[in-house]
Amino acid sequence: DAGVIQSPRHEVTEMGQEVTLRCKPISGHDYLFWYRQTMMRGLELLIYFNNNVPIDDSGMPEDRFSAKMPNASFSTLKIQPSEPRDSAVYFCASSFGGESSYNEQFFGPGTRLTVL
Amino acid sequence: EDKVVQSPLSLVVHEGDTVTLNCSYEVTNFRSLLWYKQEKKAPTFLFMLTSSGIEKKSGRLSSILDKKELSSILNITATQTGDSAIYLCAVNDDYKLSFGAGTTVTVRA
Repeated sequence: DAGVIQSPRHEVTEMGQEVTLRCKPISGHDYLFWYRQTMMRGLELLIYFNNNVPIDDSGMPEDRFSAKMPNASFSTLKIQPSEPRDSAVYFCASSFGGESSYNEQFFGPGTRLTVL
Repeated sequence: EDKVVQSPLSLVVHEGDTVTLNCSYEVTNFRSLLWYKQEKKAPTFLFMLTSSGIEKKSGRLSSILDKKELSSILNITATQTGDSAIYLCAVNDDYKLSFGAGTTVTVRA
């Protein structure tokens, strides 16, 4: 299994530009999570999906952030317009809920975003 | 609001030492507690502890869950330089993981 795939791995952009991060979860997993990691705030959950449906987006910082999951194998996290404080590593993770509530999340390699 | 607190924030040890990392939590609907190791990239899974599995061991690493005290410890014995990393504790509350700030472990040769 290829694991969770994220692209791009690095993104450098200028303030005000639109940024789109992409994620392909592990095949068969029905939960997908977007996290942001910074030195100041650690690892924060932004949003998660179950069976392609957004369940909890309370962690999304503001309206500039949006996420979609059009099908079971693809999700995007979009920032428009981007700001320097959005600079962070963004991780996508997936897991299998199944009958048991106890599951582990598998993380992708992350996208390091720098907004100048 | 869910709360996961790890201690210490960082520590430095020498090869061969034993380290004990702590994690305490307050969550609404506890399902499991997970430990991750993060080097310079993505967190990688170490252990998952649940009400039915409160102790796990893998090689030099072991972990115990104390549901009464709402806490967990992660032990690393005979530390090696390759154990240097950030160790993250996370609590599964209805499929959401709430992470602690992590403990940075540095093992010196």
